[in-house]
Amino acid sequence: KNEVEQSPQNLTAQEGEFITINCSYSVGISALHWLQQHPGGGIVSLFMLSSGKKKHGRLIATINIQEKHSSLHITASHPRDSAVYICAVQLLQGAQKLVFGQGTRLTINP
Amino acid sequence: DVKVTQSSRYLVKRTGEKVFLECVQDMDHENMFWYRQDPGLGLRLIYFSYDVKMKEKGDIPEGYSVSREKKERFSLILESASTNQTSMYLCASTAAGFRNQPQHFGDGTRLSIL
Repeated sequence: KNEVEQSPQNLTAQEGEFITINCSYSVGISALHWLQQHPGGGIVSLFMLSSGKKKHGRLIATINIQEKHSSLHITASHPRDSAVYICAVQLLQGAQKLVFGQGTRLTINP
Repeated sequence: DVKVTQSSRYLVKRTGEKVFLECVQDMDHENMFWYRQDPGLGLRLIYFSYDVKMKEKGDIPEGYSVSREKKERFSLILESASTNQTSMYLCASTAAGFRNQPQHFGDGTRLSIL
């Protein structure tokens, strides 16, 4: 079983819909990262959080440490949000090493 | 903004060749990482380095080696390329320290071994 599980693996929605991507993990962590990868391949860090909630524009990330679960929400989704979203956890041991989920491919249709 | 630059976006090599993938970062980061990304498997850590001339194996080091002679540059070497090393390779860097730090990624190198 993977240490980091994301759901769904694929998600297609219409422009304007509210999007939720989930991430569950089974190990002790010091932080959780949400990353975005566009078709060109480059990866951008969206959030790094160790508790509570963070918001940046239309993106919101939450984490529940007790339940070992995080969600990424996108409000008023737009076709330019189409990308692969990756959850990664930073282990308590192992300095800056990350363990990655398999990613969620999001497609927003106009 | 941190800039992580990978030397090639696309690369085609032949089986048995020695292949070098180069990564340079411009923010004086101590930590650098090489990952490969394959469909259904996500990103997996090949090697990482905490400082110049220091390296540690990641989860899938077999068939690879690395070099870090200067702080800003981290090279991944495929000693004798094989077709199962066809993949997307991503480099990342982050500052050292006890506080959690975001990783900064390059644009990736899509390597095909024929």
